Amino acid sequence: GAVVSQHPSRVICKSGTSVKIECRSLDFQATTMFWYRQFPKQSLMLMATSNEGSKATYEQGVEKDKFLINHASLTLSTLTVTSAHPEDSSFYICSARDKTSGIYEQYFGPGTRLTVT
Amino acid sequence: RKEVEQDPGPFNVPEGATVAFNCTYSNSASQSFFWYRQDCRKEPKLLMSVYSSGNEDGRFTAQLNRASQYISLLIRDSKLSDSATYLCVVNPNNAGNMLTFGGGTRLMVKP
Repeated sequence: GAVVSQHPSRVICKSGTSVKIECRSLDFQATTMFWYRQFPKQSLMLMATSNEGSKATYEQGVEKDKFLINHASLTLSTLTVTSAHPEDSSFYICSARDKTSGIYEQYFGPGTRLTVT
Repeated sequence: RKEVEQDPGPFNVPEGATVAFNCTYSNSASQSFFWYRQDCRKEPKLLMSVYSSGNEDGRFTAQLNRASQYISLLIRDSKLSDSATYLCVVNPNNAGNMLTFGGGTRLMVKP
């Protein structure tokens, strides 16, 4: 089956620093990757849609200058949380859609738990 | 009104019980529907897609009622390992490939 990896799985950083999270599709090509955020006891909220070779599309209320997304290849997208604050602490999950798949299923990475102190 | 609504539960059931979850969605033009399962502090994993004719996969049965904008998931013969949060997920626009998640229904299966 389709496998998506994320790195790191867990990160603790100090307020004001930046953190980069990588999302990779391991056995398929993904023209589109999605970044979600999940706070405790809440559902996943889409932050942005990342398209290979073009600018990401951000959801309303998500600051594009704070959450930098780069989709440099068909297998890699990165999310950089800039000038992190404690309220950015959350579970960040990426997903990817198989380029060749005709079904609108997304495969999720294992998530990155970010704690900002 | 939320785009995808679910009863958050928790549903506490004994092993072997049959349990059903419901979900309603607001966008009548939605085309694709899914149930995902999410274990605590893990990523969601696709459980099954939901087709107009209804579909079954082992102990799991999913049904779609477009007229009522309603999706259901039935789990028969519950196992301890079925304990998780079940997410109703809708793709409101096939062309956009975006997914809208319900808040999830928590299931706890007890011995």
